Amino acid sequence: EVQLVESGGGLVQPGRSLRLSCAASGFTFDDYAMHWVRQAPGKGLEWVSGISWNSGSTGYADSVKGRFTISRDNAKNSLYLQMNSLRAEDTALYYCAKDDVRDGYDSWGQGTLVTVSS
Amino acid sequence: EIVMTQSPATLSVSPGERATLSCRASQSVSSNLAWYQQKPGQAPRLLIYGASTRATGIPARFSGSGSGTEFTLTISSLQSEDFAVYYCQQYNNWWTFGQGTKVEIK
Repeated sequence: EVQLVESGGGLVQPGRSLRLSCAASGFTFDDYAMHWVRQAPGKGLEWVSGISWNSGSTGYADSVKGRFTISRDNAKNSLYLQMNSLRAEDTALYYCAKDDVRDGYDSWGQGTLVTVSS
Repeated sequence: EIVMTQSPATLSVSPGERATLSCRASQSVSSNLAWYQQKPGQAPRLLIYGASTRATGIPARFSGSGSGTEFTLTISSLQSEDFAVYYCQQYNNWWTFGQGTKVEIK
């Protein structure tokens, strides 16, 4: 069974940094690209960032480009999101997601809540 | 960045009626288009991938069509459990989601 467990969320002041983690199990982690998707309270889904299986390719939404960095450690079956220069509009539930939609599957974590406020 | 635009924002439908949701991509995404259903407090659930293939366990009343830049999700006869928010997603170039269509009870 695929499991994705996010951690690292919390309350942080504007301009500060936070690092999210996602622990993956139940599948061969380094076979798949991975993504971060967020959802602000009462709002829709927003793709944040993605990373290829071997970290050779990364992508970012325009809203976070230059402030967020995605990375992974295949030896630890873990995905990360380093978030710098945080803004109030970054407040959201952050989901870790496995890239298997092409095969007809969706795998999401339970999310970790990030609140940016003074 | 590929922009996905869904319409309408809200769709009011009576149980048993047909619902038609639209999604437009700012550039071609081929058939790399998925539809998700999300209910309050839950993670999204995949309904359709490859623009028209139902995911495992998804009832036949859900169908998808389209390719390139224009896509449609049709729910043939709405059941009570279908009232939710629906998102389209392109996965042709990384991911992008539409802003969602809320299907509410009329």
